[in-house]
Amino acid sequence: AQSVTQLGSHVSVSEGALVLLRCNYSSSVPPYLFWYVQYPNQGLQLLLKYTSAATLVKGINGFEAEFKKSETSFHLTKPSAHMSDAAEYFCAVSDRGGNQFYFGTGTSLTVIP
Amino acid sequence: DAGITQSPRHKVTETGTPVTLRCHQTENHRYMYWYRQDPGHGLRLIHYSYGVKDTDKGEVSDGYSVSRSKTEDFLLTLESATSSQTSVYFCAISEPGGQGGHEQFFGPGTRLTVL
Repeated sequence: AQSVTQLGSHVSVSEGALVLLRCNYSSSVPPYLFWYVQYPNQGLQLLLKYTSAATLVKGINGFEAEFKKSETSFHLTKPSAHMSDAAEYFCAVSDRGGNQFYFGTGTSLTVIP
Repeated sequence: DAGITQSPRHKVTETGTPVTLRCHQTENHRYMYWYRQDPGHGLRLIHYSYGVKDTDKGEVSDGYSVSRSKTEDFLLTLESATSSQTSVYFCAISEPGGQGGHEQFFGPGTRLTVL
């Protein structure tokens, strides 16, 4: 079975500081991995996805994530936080053949001016 | 943005009443999903559909049923609503195939309160 663990349900960073949101997955086979962002009272929007083409994946709004098989991790980073980055972030995993996603419990990012 | 709408967007109902939520898509995607979102639980899959009249259960399907009579519509029904079903419900769509990484696209959500 697939599962995702997001360490830290709340993360606070200062504006301009590095953003690091952690995601570890459990999968018996190389998975597909995704990061989504959710702004208040909205649905989820895809930030980026890993499909095995490249281990470092670049997404929208300056975010990127690196797939590390040895660590079963897919952490999300952004070099410099902006106030508009304040949102809930979800990591998700799916297997190669399936069409079900398994979501982490989310990390709420606060950006301090 | 993917063409996904959900109706109603907000609903307040009483325990024991039936409730139907509708998801409508204009993307002609084969797969459709219903999730519920609750604090501390992230998103949990209720039911999904892989084609007209083809549905399957997800992680938290008890108390819910679904129907899909047309590609574009996926209905979620709470036969007899309970307070534990107070949640935000999201519909999602996807179209598998191609290079893989078949991401899901999400609707705006329906906030349901069961009193």
